[in-house]
Amino acid sequence: GQSLEQPSEVTAVEGAIVQINCTYQTSGFYGLSWYQQHDGGAPTFLSYNALDGLEETGRFSSFLSRSDSYGYLLLQELQMKDSASYFCAVRAGSARQLTFGSGTQLTVLP
Amino acid sequence: ETGVTQSPTHLIKTRGQQVTLRCSSQSGHNTVSWYQQALGQGPQFIFQYYREEENGRGNFPPRFSGLQFPNYSSELNVNALELDDSALYLCASSSRQETQYFGPGTRLLVL
Repeated sequence: GQSLEQPSEVTAVEGAIVQINCTYQTSGFYGLSWYQQHDGGAPTFLSYNALDGLEETGRFSSFLSRSDSYGYLLLQELQMKDSASYFCAVRAGSARQLTFGSGTQLTVLP
Repeated sequence: ETGVTQSPTHLIKTRGQQVTLRCSSQSGHNTVSWYQQALGQGPQFIFQYYREEENGRGNFPPRFSGLQFPNYSSELNVNALELDDSALYLCASSSRQETQYFGPGTRLLVL
């Protein structure tokens, strides 16, 4: 089976930079995804890494090291609207299904 | 907005009943996945349909079943509801394996 670990909570102030780490154990690994979910809302796709290295999309960047089974999501220039839960998810298995971590609750303070 | 819709938005059932949840996928997407999300947890994979065939299943009992139709919309059926089935049920559609677009979910409460 698959297992993922990410911090349960992170707090930062507006304008700061925050990094959310994710370590995973899986077989048949294809890639690592990140999703954002606001309270009561649907998970929203942020990024996907299939290969080692850094992917940048605006204020968000995601990194993957396959050899270390490790990835992170980097959020820059934090805004109040970034307060949400962030999930890492591995794509693995015969159907390449997503297995999600338990999520990191990010609180951005003024 | 992802273009993925789900109905109903909320549902209340009693233990032992059956429920059907519906999902319309985004135009052009031929893969639909269903997830169960308990409060404070990440979504848990139930199963996935590709071109009307189930091609992956998570650790859920057979009373969770599904269908995908020729227009790629999908249903999730749960029989013999249990209290622990209370959760947010999410469907996600995709055309490429790495990007899944989620609908708003159906919140199910089993009493």
